Amino acid sequence: SQQGEEDPQALSIQEGENATMNCSYKTSINNLQWYRQNSGRGLVHLILIRSNEREKHSGRLRVTLDTSKKSSSLLITASRAADTASYFCATYTGGFKTIFGAGTRLFVKA
Amino acid sequence: GAGVSQTPSNKVTEKGKYVELRCDPISGHTALYWYRQSLGQGPEFLIYFQGTGAADDSGLPNDRFFAVRPEGSVSTLKIQRTERGDSAVYLCASSPRNGGTDTQYFGPGTRLTVL
Repeated sequence: SQQGEEDPQALSIQEGENATMNCSYKTSINNLQWYRQNSGRGLVHLILIRSNEREKHSGRLRVTLDTSKKSSSLLITASRAADTASYFCATYTGGFKTIFGAGTRLFVKA
Repeated sequence: GAGVSQTPSNKVTEKGKYVELRCDPISGHTALYWYRQSLGQGPEFLIYFQGTGAADDSGLPNDRFFAVRPEGSVSTLKIQRTERGDSAVYLCASSPRNGGTDTQYFGPGTRLTVL
């Protein structure tokens, strides 16, 4: 089964609003990454947060990590129509694998 | 520079046939991953290469699936006796060293349809 599970499965918002997606996982991790996938294309890396970090920012993206709750959230501020995509969290527990969740499908209406 | 490329972009085959899917990683990247993505799901890990060797093939679903990376660059995923359940998008990703601690750079994928 997938290590990470995103919530909600789908999200529809108006342009300019903030979008928050959550990821929960089951076992201790070394780091957690967020990726975006536009329809019909490969995944694009957004941000990596290590297990000893609590928050990271990149442009309009803010990621938090709560290892005690085994959860992470991705916040996209001032969303744009171009942010419409699927967003996946991927957890890394050591070794070579990253395990992806099922994703949150974000639709931003212009 | 060039990103990760995958060929073909689409492959339609009949049940029982053999297929090969190719991945050209970013030059100099030692780590290469294959994933399978079904509709509405996230990428599912299949196999990881570090250089020429398969460091972890625990995600390959059965012995009909095999992958090689003979010179440490291009990789080929081979599927024998294809089944309808093999239909999915097959994604390749490369990373400078370790995709768990580094960014993974994904190709556009090969959409495999088994009729």
